[in-house]
Amino acid sequence: AQKITQTQPGMFVQEKEAVTLDCTYDTSDPSYGLFWYKQPSSGEMIFLIYQGSYDQQNATEGRYSLNFQKARKSANLVISASQLGDSAMYFCAMREGQNNFNKFYFGSGTKLNVKP
Amino acid sequence: DGGITQSPKYLFRKEGQNVTLSCEQNLNHDAMYWYRQDPGQGLRLIYYSQIVNDFQKGDIAEGYSVSREKKESFPLTVTSAQKNPTAFYLCASPGLSGNTIYFGEGSWLTVV
Repeated sequence: AQKITQTQPGMFVQEKEAVTLDCTYDTSDPSYGLFWYKQPSSGEMIFLIYQGSYDQQNATEGRYSLNFQKARKSANLVISASQLGDSAMYFCAMREGQNNFNKFYFGSGTKLNVKP
Repeated sequence: DGGITQSPKYLFRKEGQNVTLSCEQNLNHDAMYWYRQDPGQGLRLIYYSQIVNDFQKGDIAEGYSVSREKKESFPLTVTSAQKNPTAFYLCASPGLSGNTIYFGEGSWLTVV
Protein backbone atom coordinates (compact mmCIF):
# COMPACT_ATOMS: atom_id res chain seq x y z
CA ALA A 1 0.00 0.00 0.00
CA GLN A 2 1.12 3.54 -0.69
CA LYS A 3 2.38 5.35 2.35
CA ILE A 4 1.61 8.79 0.90
CA THR A 5 -1.06 9.47 -1.69
CA GLN A 6 -1.48 12.70 -3.60
CA THR A 7 -4.46 12.33 -5.91
CA GLN A 8 -4.14 15.61 -7.81
CA PRO A 9 -1.43 15.41 -10.51
CA GLY A 10 -2.11 19.00 -11.52
CA MET A 11 -4.03 21.99 -10.18
CA PHE A 12 -4.84 25.46 -11.44
CA VAL A 13 -5.63 28.40 -9.21
CA GLN A 14 -6.27 32.04 -9.91
CA GLU A 15 -3.78 34.49 -8.45
CA LYS A 16 -4.81 35.77 -5.00
CA GLU A 17 -7.19 32.86 -4.40
CA ALA A 18 -6.67 30.05 -1.89
CA VAL A 19 -5.92 26.49 -2.96
CA THR A 20 -5.91 23.15 -1.16
CA LEU A 21 -3.54 20.35 -2.13
CA ASP A 22 -4.63 16.94 -0.93
CA CYS A 23 -2.52 14.36 0.89
CA THR A 24 -3.48 11.15 2.63
CA TYR A 25 -1.11 8.87 4.48
CA ASP A 26 -0.99 5.33 5.76
CA THR A 27 0.78 4.27 8.92
CA SER A 28 0.10 2.22 12.03
CA ASP A 29 2.85 3.92 14.01
CA PRO A 30 1.36 6.34 16.55
CA SER A 31 4.36 8.62 16.21
CA TYR A 32 4.99 10.21 12.84
CA GLY A 33 5.62 13.52 11.16
CA LEU A 34 4.13 15.05 8.05
CA PHE A 35 5.86 17.50 5.74
CA TRP A 36 5.19 19.57 2.67
CA TYR A 37 7.90 20.58 0.24
CA LYS A 38 7.83 22.87 -2.77
CA GLN A 39 9.96 22.07 -5.80
CA PRO A 40 10.30 24.80 -8.45
CA SER A 41 11.58 23.98 -11.91
CA SER A 42 15.17 24.46 -10.71
CA GLY A 43 14.82 21.21 -8.76
CA GLU A 44 15.62 22.39 -5.26
CA MET A 45 13.39 21.13 -2.48
CA ILE A 46 12.04 23.91 -0.29
CA PHE A 47 10.64 23.00 3.12
CA LEU A 48 7.24 24.57 3.75
CA ILE A 49 5.61 23.14 6.85
CA TYR A 50 5.72 20.33 9.41
CA GLN A 51 3.03 18.63 11.52
CA GLY A 52 3.77 16.12 14.27
CA SER A 53 1.26 13.38 14.97
CA TYR A 54 0.85 14.53 18.56
CA ASP A 55 0.47 18.20 17.73
CA GLN A 56 -2.94 19.45 18.81
CA GLN A 57 -2.99 22.51 16.60
CA ASN A 58 -2.78 22.63 12.83
CA ALA A 59 0.60 23.92 11.72
CA THR A 60 0.83 27.31 10.03
CA GLU A 61 3.74 29.08 8.36
CA GLY A 62 2.86 32.40 6.79
CA ARG A 63 0.53 31.73 3.85
CA TYR A 64 0.81 27.97 4.34
CA SER A 65 -1.32 25.94 6.71
CA LEU A 66 -1.68 22.21 7.14
CA ASN A 67 -5.19 20.88 7.61
CA PHE A 68 -4.44 17.85 9.79
CA GLN A 69 -7.30 15.38 10.17
CA LYS A 70 -5.83 12.50 12.12
CA ALA A 71 -8.82 10.18 12.06
CA ARG A 72 -9.07 10.51 8.28
CA LYS A 73 -5.28 10.30 7.89
CA SER A 74 -5.17 13.39 5.79
CA ALA A 75 -2.72 16.29 5.80
CA ASN A 76 -3.85 18.77 3.19
CA LEU A 77 -1.81 21.87 2.42
CA VAL A 78 -3.70 25.14 2.15
CA ILE A 79 -2.03 28.06 0.38
CA SER A 80 -3.81 31.33 0.93
CA ALA A 81 -3.61 34.30 -1.44
CA SER A 82 -1.79 32.43 -4.22
CA GLN A 83 1.07 34.19 -5.95
CA LEU A 84 2.60 33.56 -9.37
CA GLY A 85 5.75 32.37 -7.61
CA ASP A 86 3.78 29.56 -6.02
CA SER A 87 3.71 27.72 -9.36
CA ALA A 88 5.74 24.57 -8.69
CA MET A 89 5.52 20.90 -7.76
CA TYR A 90 4.39 20.21 -4.21
CA PHE A 91 5.27 17.04 -2.34
CA CYS A 92 3.73 15.63 0.79
CA ALA A 93 6.01 13.43 2.89
CA MET A 94 5.88 11.37 6.06
CA ARG A 95 8.41 10.25 8.65
CA GLU A 96 7.38 7.12 10.52
CA GLY A 97 8.61 6.86 14.08
CA GLN A 98 10.00 9.37 16.50
CA ASN A 99 13.61 9.95 15.54
CA ASN A 100 15.46 11.03 12.47
CA PHE A 101 16.73 7.55 11.63
CA ASN A 102 13.50 6.40 10.08
CA LYS A 103 12.76 6.41 6.39
CA PHE A 104 10.87 9.26 4.86
CA TYR A 105 8.14 8.56 2.32
CA PHE A 106 7.15 10.97 -0.45
CA GLY A 107 4.01 11.28 -2.50
CA SER A 108 4.00 11.56 -6.29
CA GLY A 109 3.46 15.31 -6.15
CA THR A 110 0.96 17.90 -7.35
CA LYS A 111 1.90 20.43 -9.99
CA LEU A 112 0.34 23.77 -9.13
CA ASN A 113 -0.11 26.45 -11.77
CA VAL A 114 -1.10 29.93 -10.62
CA LYS A 115 -2.85 31.94 -13.31
CA PRO A 116 -2.56 35.74 -13.47
CA ASP B 1 26.39 28.18 6.27
CA GLY B 2 25.50 24.61 7.12
CA GLY B 3 24.00 22.50 4.43
CA ILE B 4 24.30 19.75 1.87
CA THR B 5 26.46 20.15 -1.22
CA GLN B 6 25.99 17.97 -4.26
CA SER B 7 28.26 17.85 -7.27
CA PRO B 8 28.28 17.95 -10.16
CA LYS B 9 25.05 19.78 -10.93
CA TYR B 10 24.94 18.33 -14.45
CA LEU B 11 26.59 15.13 -15.62
CA PHE B 12 26.58 13.29 -18.90
CA ARG B 13 27.46 9.63 -19.02
CA LYS B 14 28.12 7.29 -21.87
CA GLU B 15 26.39 3.96 -21.78
CA GLY B 16 28.46 1.37 -19.96
CA GLN B 17 30.26 3.86 -17.75
CA ASN B 18 30.10 4.17 -13.99
CA VAL B 19 29.67 7.66 -12.54
CA THR B 20 29.87 8.89 -8.98
CA LEU B 21 27.75 11.69 -7.56
CA SER B 22 29.15 13.51 -4.58
CA CYS B 23 27.19 14.48 -1.47
CA GLU B 24 28.82 16.34 1.40
CA GLN B 25 27.18 17.74 4.51
CA ASN B 26 28.49 19.97 7.30
CA LEU B 27 25.42 19.62 9.49
CA ASN B 28 26.98 16.97 11.72
CA HIS B 29 24.03 14.68 10.96
CA ASP B 30 24.27 10.93 11.23
CA ALA B 31 21.62 9.96 8.68
CA MET B 32 21.92 10.57 4.94
CA TYR B 33 19.75 9.51 2.02
CA TRP B 34 19.84 9.30 -1.76
CA TYR B 35 16.67 9.74 -3.81
CA ARG B 36 15.97 9.44 -7.51
CA GLN B 37 13.38 11.59 -9.24
CA ASP B 38 12.14 11.01 -12.78
CA PRO B 39 10.47 13.86 -14.69
CA GLY B 40 7.07 14.71 -13.24
CA GLN B 41 7.39 12.01 -10.61
CA GLY B 42 7.95 11.76 -6.90
CA LEU B 43 11.10 10.78 -4.99
CA ARG B 44 12.16 7.19 -4.70
CA LEU B 45 14.66 6.04 -2.09
CA ILE B 46 17.85 4.46 -3.45
CA TYR B 47 20.04 4.01 -0.37
CA TYR B 48 20.20 5.39 3.12
CA SER B 49 22.79 5.45 5.86
CA GLN B 50 22.07 5.93 9.53
CA ILE B 51 25.66 6.00 10.69
CA VAL B 52 29.22 5.87 9.41
CA ASN B 53 30.24 2.55 7.83
CA ASP B 54 26.65 1.38 7.63
CA PHE B 55 24.03 1.74 4.89
CA GLN B 56 20.86 -0.01 3.71
CA LYS B 57 19.16 -0.50 0.39
CA GLY B 58 16.10 1.55 -0.33
CA ASP B 59 13.32 0.73 -2.75
CA ILE B 60 15.32 0.98 -6.00
CA ALA B 61 18.92 0.07 -5.08
CA GLU B 62 19.65 -2.16 -8.10
CA GLY B 63 22.36 -0.69 -10.27
CA TYR B 64 23.58 1.70 -7.58
CA SER B 65 26.23 1.53 -4.87
CA VAL B 66 27.20 3.78 -1.97
CA SER B 67 29.82 4.14 0.71
CA ARG B 68 29.87 5.92 4.05
CA GLU B 69 33.47 6.13 5.19
CA LYS B 70 33.07 9.56 6.72
CA LYS B 71 30.17 11.18 8.50
CA GLU B 72 30.25 14.13 6.13
CA SER B 73 30.25 12.19 2.87
CA PHE B 74 27.81 9.81 1.19
CA PRO B 75 28.76 9.33 -2.49
CA LEU B 76 26.47 7.49 -4.89
CA THR B 77 27.84 5.46 -7.79
CA VAL B 78 25.55 4.82 -10.72
CA THR B 79 26.90 1.66 -12.28
CA SER B 80 26.59 0.35 -15.81
CA ALA B 81 24.10 -2.16 -14.43
CA GLN B 82 21.53 0.62 -13.97
CA LYS B 83 19.50 0.29 -17.16
CA ASN B 84 17.86 3.68 -17.16
CA PRO B 85 19.98 6.09 -15.12
CA THR B 86 18.83 9.36 -16.68
CA ALA B 87 17.17 11.19 -13.79
CA PHE B 88 17.50 13.87 -11.14
CA TYR B 89 19.30 12.71 -8.00
CA LEU B 90 18.78 14.28 -4.60
CA CYS B 91 20.86 13.79 -1.48
CA ALA B 92 19.15 14.49 1.83
CA SER B 93 19.68 14.40 5.56
CA PRO B 94 17.02 14.66 8.26
CA GLY B 95 17.35 17.18 11.04
CA LEU B 96 18.30 15.91 14.48
CA SER B 97 14.72 16.26 15.71
CA GLY B 98 13.32 14.59 12.61
CA ASN B 99 11.13 17.62 11.98
CA THR B 100 12.68 18.52 8.69
CA ILE B 101 14.76 17.04 5.88
CA TYR B 102 17.59 19.00 4.38
CA PHE B 103 18.22 18.53 0.68
CA GLY B 104 21.12 19.24 -1.61
CA GLU B 105 20.46 21.11 -4.84
CA GLY B 106 20.43 17.90 -6.83
CA SER B 107 22.37 16.42 -9.72
CA TRP B 108 20.99 15.94 -13.20
CA LEU B 109 22.39 12.80 -14.84
CA THR B 110 21.90 12.19 -18.54
CA VAL B 111 23.04 9.14 -20.45
CA VAL B 112 24.20 9.94 -23.97
